[in-house]
Amino acid sequence: AQKITQTQPGMFVQEKEAVTLDCTYDTSDQSYGLFWYKQPSSGEMIFLIYQGSYDEQNATEGRYSLNFQKARKSANLVISASQLGDSAMYFCAMREGTNSGGYQKVTFGTGTKLQVIP
Amino acid sequence: DSGVTQTPKHLITATGQRVTLRCSPRSGDLSVYWYQQSLDQGLQFLIQYYNGEERAKGNILERFSAQQFPDLHSELNLSSLELGDSALYFCASSVVSSGNTIYFGEGSWLTVV
Repeated sequence: AQKITQTQPGMFVQEKEAVTLDCTYDTSDQSYGLFWYKQPSSGEMIFLIYQGSYDEQNATEGRYSLNFQKARKSANLVISASQLGDSAMYFCAMREGTNSGGYQKVTFGTGTKLQVIP
Repeated sequence: DSGVTQTPKHLITATGQRVTLRCSPRSGDLSVYWYQQSLDQGLQFLIQYYNGEERAKGNILERFSAQQFPDLHSELNLSSLELGDSALYFCASSVVSSGNTIYFGEGSWLTVV
């Protein structure tokens, strides 16, 4: 079974509109973390936002927010007021493993290509 | 700038050759991860080191090996290279604790010809 599922290979959004990128995950760990990264065409992987499994509040970072629904095992990224520079690939990722001994495995989804239309 | 440094940024080499990719983690980060990103395989986790020791292993080929040195920098060695090894190789680092963020370097573009 896929650990991280991103069902939207590509999406379009009008500039200044909000957009939601979907991510569902599968884990039996009680403690885990969820990340979103942005990868522009230049290739670098840019950290956007993090949500811990025990965090009660949804994470927010500027125009980015993470809609965390633990029971549904979903961690959708919401980008508000889209800008042309938001056009990129977006990856959802999950960190599993205990902190004991430093073991951690981070798995990525297949990504969603977002294109912002002027 | 994430603080994770990878060298070289671009590398072109022939099939059958061996290359070494280098990674310096962010200051204070004990954990280093290596990922391979190719067009047909997406972002694949290869291996994780923590404070010099291997901690988690993913889809790393036997032709590939890695290590983390006492100064915490890491190297990924790729040998007997094949055309299919052409990819973007990322190093990432983190502090291993709950709530930690994992930061990526800019990647090393490897082209095997």
